[in-house]
Amino acid sequence: TQLLEQSPQFLSIQEGENLTVYCNSSSVFSSLQWYRQEPGEGPVLLVTVVTGGEVKKLKRLTFQFGDARKDSSLHITAAQPGDTGLYLCAGSDQTGANNLFFGTGTRLTVIP
Amino acid sequence: EPEVTQTPSHQVTQMGQEVILRCVPISNHLYFYWYRQILGQKVEFLVSFYNNEISEKSEIFDDQFSVERPDGSNFTLKIRSTKLEDSAMYFCASSEDSGFNNSPLHFGNGTRLTVT
Repeated sequence: TQLLEQSPQFLSIQEGENLTVYCNSSSVFSSLQWYRQEPGEGPVLLVTVVTGGEVKKLKRLTFQFGDARKDSSLHITAAQPGDTGLYLCAGSDQTGANNLFFGTGTRLTVIP
Repeated sequence: EPEVTQTPSHQVTQMGQEVILRCVPISNHLYFYWYRQILGQKVEFLVSFYNNEISEKSEIFDDQFSVERPDGSNFTLKIRSTKLEDSAMYFCASSEDSGFNNSPLHFGNGTRLTVT
């Protein structure tokens, strides 16, 4: 079983601040996905990163895949209360199968 | 935008009873999955299904679990004899293509199963 550790587990910040969430593993992944999950709902895909060193931007969110494809980060610039939620990373192993291994999650609260 | 729909949203059952959780994947998707999330824990893979057969399953997916695509639209998860530890949120997901093409998974909103 591949293990994905996210840090921090909980993060509470003021509106307008920047933050970074980390997703680390000792395993290599063929791709890594970031999801956001609201209470009572399923995870919603934000981005997929595939290439080592890849950087993708989604408005104020910047996602990076580590060079060795073992880790990833999510950086949010000028956080807003609407960013509040549970952020999950999930990786596919090198077999290419879609049995995603999910991280432990980071619960973000942005205080107005 | 098309979405994965799951019913019921909440199911309460007694230990030892059989339950069937239902899902309607996105219509042009070919790969179907069940994941579960025990309260306070991470999302865990149960099973993937393609071309009317299981393509992969985790060690959680034991003989008490089965999946079926009874018609062209539904995808079901059956738990034969529920245990207390089966209480969890069960998520159905579907994807257009396989992991080899990094096809993203689309998740439903889940069925909360409570076993008493």
